[in-house]
Amino acid sequence: EVQLLESGGGLVQPGGSLRLSCAASGFTFSTYAMTWVRQPPGKGLEWVSVISGSGGSTYYADSVKGRFTMSRDNSKNALYLQMDSLSADDTAVYYCAKDRSCSSTTCHNGLDSWGQGTLVTVSS
Amino acid sequence: QSALTQPASVSGSPGQSITISCTGTNSDVGLYNLVSWYQQHPGKAPKLIIYEGSKRPSGVSTRFSGSKSANTASLTISGLQAEDEADYYCCSYAGRSTLVFGGGTKLTVL
Repeated sequence: EVQLLESGGGLVQPGGSLRLSCAASGFTFSTYAMTWVRQPPGKGLEWVSVISGSGGSTYYADSVKGRFTMSRDNSKNALYLQMDSLSADDTAVYYCAKDRSCSSTTCHNGLDSWGQGTLVTVSS
Repeated sequence: QSALTQPASVSGSPGQSITISCTGTNSDVGLYNLVSWYQQHPGKAPKLIIYEGSKRPSGVSTRFSGSKSANTASLTISGLQAEDEADYYCCSYAGRSTLVFGGGTKLTVL
């Protein structure tokens, strides 16, 4: 059974940093592209970033480009999101999700497994 | 990276069919047959119900179907059931390894 478990969320001051983690199990982690999606309280889903199965390619939404860094450690079946220069607009539940079949970032076959999400609150 | 356009809400009675539209541009929905749909119940993570425009993952009810015409994708739910009441989101590949989501549609089963 595929399992994704996010951690690392919490309260951070504007301008601060936070690192999210996502522990994966139940599938061959290195074979699949992974994605971060966020959802502000009471609002819709927003794509944040994607990383290829090998970790060699990463892409970001314009809203986080230059501030967020996505990475993975295939030896640990772990996914990360380093978030810097945080603002109130970054307050959201952050989900990690697995692509259904793609290893590359240049295809998209649906995000078929999601974690339970971790809440990031940016406030003074 | 502008969000895809979905109606804010739709409603239907048990047993009826409803359709949720998802309008994009010729740079995303219209260019790629890579639209996915997600169901999200309150407090839960999204669940994939349609991928590649019209394909259902294993275990998803045949009452859910997807289609596309030009820049608009659609999700149809037939034989509405109380458990279908949820938020629904479309998502499209938008080129250059990016994805774009719709704003979401709240489905109410009357």
